[in-house]
Amino acid sequence: KNEVEQSPQNLTAQEGEFITINCSYSVGISALHWLQQHPGGGIVSLFMLSSGKKKHGRLIATINIQEKHSSLHITASHPRDSAVYICAVSSNRGGSNYKLTFGKGTLLTVNP
Amino acid sequence: DSGVTQTPKHLITATGQRVTLRCSPRSGDLSVYWYQQSLDQGLQFLIQYYNGEERAKGNILERFSAQQFPDLHSELNLSSLELGDSALYFCASSPHSGAYNEQFFGPGTRLTVL
Repeated sequence: KNEVEQSPQNLTAQEGEFITINCSYSVGISALHWLQQHPGGGIVSLFMLSSGKKKHGRLIATINIQEKHSSLHITASHPRDSAVYICAVSSNRGGSNYKLTFGKGTLLTVNP
Repeated sequence: DSGVTQTPKHLITATGQRVTLRCSPRSGDLSVYWYQQSLDQGLQFLIQYYNGEERAKGNILERFSAQQFPDLHSELNLSSLELGDSALYFCASSPHSGAYNEQFFGPGTRLTVL
C-alpha cells in the first residue's frame, strides 16, 4: 500500500461542476502539499497546509489531521483546470530531515 | 514562471553514458531539491541540498550524485545510464529547509536514454 493514496485516479467533469479530489496518507506528517501539473510537465504548487482550510480563488484545500485525509475542491470548474493534481506529504520519520512523498495523481478533464 | 531554471530542457543519450542536469534556484532560495518522475513510479524525491550541504536523501541510486555550488546552483550527475533512467527530472527550490517550506518547481529536464 502506498503511503499517499489519491482518489479518483481519473475524473471527467462538465464546465461549471464542483470537483473534489481526495488524498489519504498513512504516515505522520508535518505538512501536506497540493500540486498541479499541466500537460507538457510543469508543476505548480497550489497549497501547503498543516491544519484546517485554505482558499485561493476557486480552489479550496482542507485537511483533517486526525483522519489523515485531505481534499482539494474546485468550484465552478473550467476547461483550463484540466491537469493532473498531485498530493504530497512532508514527513521526517523521526529524524530532522523532511522529504516529500507523492501520490500517483488525479487526472482531471473538464469539458466545455 | 516559478523563477527556477533548469537546463537542458531535453536530453537524448545512450545507455552507459553520463549526463549532467543543471538547476538554478529562485533568487534568495537556499534549498534545492531534485525529483524524478517516471511513468511507472510517479514523482520520487531524490536529494535535497541546503546552502551547499546535503540535507536529505531519498531514492537516489548510487550511480547518481548531486552537489550545490557556492552560488547555490545545483547539478545532478547521472552516470552509467540505463533505459530505466528515462524520465522527467525536476528541480525545486525553497527559501529554507524543513517541513513548512513551499517548493517552487523548475520546468524539468526530459531525459531519454536509448
